[in-house]
Amino acid sequence: KAGVTQTPRYLIKTRGQQVTLSCSPISGHRSVSWYQQTPGQGLQFLFEYFSETQRNKGNFPGRFSGRQFSNSRSEMNVSTLELGDSALYLCASSLGHRESEQYFGPGTRLTVT
Amino acid sequence: DQQVKQNSPSLSVQEGRISILNCDYTNSMFDYFLWYKKYPAEGPTFLISISSIKDKNEDGRFTVFLNKSAKHLSLHIVPSQPGDSAVYFCAASLRNTGNQFYFGTGTSLTVIP
Repeated sequence: KAGVTQTPRYLIKTRGQQVTLSCSPISGHRSVSWYQQTPGQGLQFLFEYFSETQRNKGNFPGRFSGRQFSNSRSEMNVSTLELGDSALYLCASSLGHRESEQYFGPGTRLTVT
Repeated sequence: DQQVKQNSPSLSVQEGRISILNCDYTNSMFDYFLWYKKYPAEGPTFLISISSIKDKNEDGRFTVFLNKSAKHLSLHIVPSQPGDSAVYFCAASLRNTGNQFYFGTGTSLTVIP
């Protein structure tokens, strides 16, 4: 079956702009989680959506938001970009239980200049 | 604050020998733990998990040990193979928090042929 896809794979934005990243989960998966990966910080949990509802949220400012559509595809938006937002953004999909395996996409590399 | 820590950024092991990757956590309420492997330009892939009701879980060449009193878990790979060269992340979660996982910063394993 097709894996998790993320678009775009690479993005360069200017400080102050906003950006939207997309994640298409594996068919049948209802949970999509988003993570930010930066050097030295590992993966930091942003939020999780399950059946179009935000189920969990990490410790990130309100500039980071997301949504999930009825087909389980998810988008993540970052407004008023800062240089520190430069990172690899990963999404992961699963059936929803934490014991069910999460499958990660390849990530979107965001560079803010 | 980093609740899950991997204090060794890198590890080199000879092919055929044992690789031991370590992970420490600070929150005693964590009750479910995972290990992921990540190759460059790919998302992390699930390796093995362990619940806090166990102290050991095996899957082929991979064994995870959990020491709750020390708040420490380790991943043993025996025997190590060159294809195991990757970055390994440990992750932990709390009960009833869905797929919200706390990740360590990763250990880069190099298996030397």
